[in-house]
Amino acid sequence: RKEVEQDPGPFNVPEGATVAFNCTYSNSASQSFFWYRQDCRKEPKLLMSVYSSGNEDGRFTAQLNRASQYISLLIRDSKLSDSATYLCVVNLPGGGNKLTFGTGTQLKVEL
Amino acid sequence: NAGVTQTPKFQVLKTGQSMTLQCAQDMNHEYMSWYRQDPGMGLRLIHYSVGAGITDQGEVPNGYNVSRSTTEDFPLRLLSAAPSQTSVYFCASSSLLGNTEAFFGQGTRLTVV
Repeated sequence: RKEVEQDPGPFNVPEGATVAFNCTYSNSASQSFFWYRQDCRKEPKLLMSVYSSGNEDGRFTAQLNRASQYISLLIRDSKLSDSATYLCVVNLPGGGNKLTFGTGTQLKVEL
Repeated sequence: NAGVTQTPKFQVLKTGQSMTLQCAQDMNHEYMSWYRQDPGMGLRLIHYSVGAGITDQGEVPNGYNVSRSTTEDFPLRLLSAAPSQTSVYFCASSSLLGNTEAFFGQGTRLTVV
C-alpha cells in the first residue's frame, strides 16, 4: 500500500465549478500535511498547509481528518489558471522534513 | 532571491557514465533533499541531509551518492548511470522544523541511453 494515495484524475471541470480532491495516508504518526501544486514540467510549490481545524485561503479550503487519515482540498470558482497537478504531501515522523508525496491529481479547467 | 538553484536543467548520459547534479540554496536551510519523479510514481526521496557533514538514505538511494560539505550545497552523484535512472530530479531545501515549506529547484531532466 502506498503511504499517500490520491486519485490521479484527470478532473476536467468547467470554469467556475467547484472541485474536491481527496487523499489518504497510511502512517498514523504523520505530523504535518500539505497540498503542493505542480505545473507541467515545473517544480512543486506549496499551495497550503493543512490543519486539523481546517483552513482556507481565498478559493481554496483544506481539511484534515486524523481519525480517518484523510486530507481534502476544495477549490471553488475554478479558474483556467488552476489547471495543474495537485500533490498531497505528508511529513513523516523521525525528524527533519522528510516529505512523502502522493502521485498527484491532475486538474484541467476548461472554458 | 535565488532560492534553490539546480544545474544542469537537461542532461543526456550514456550507460555507465558518471555525473554530478548540483544543488545550492541561499536560504540558510539546514535540511536538503533529493527526489526523483517518474510517471505514475510521484516524487520519491533519494537522499537527504539535516546539516553539513550529515547525510542519510531515503526511499530509493541505490546508484546515488551525496555529500554535504557546506550548508549551501548538496550535490547528487550518479556513480554509473543506468537507463532506470532516466527521470526528473528535484533538489529541495527547508528548515528542520516539520511544518515548514519546502522549496524546490527547477529540476534536472536526465536521460540515460
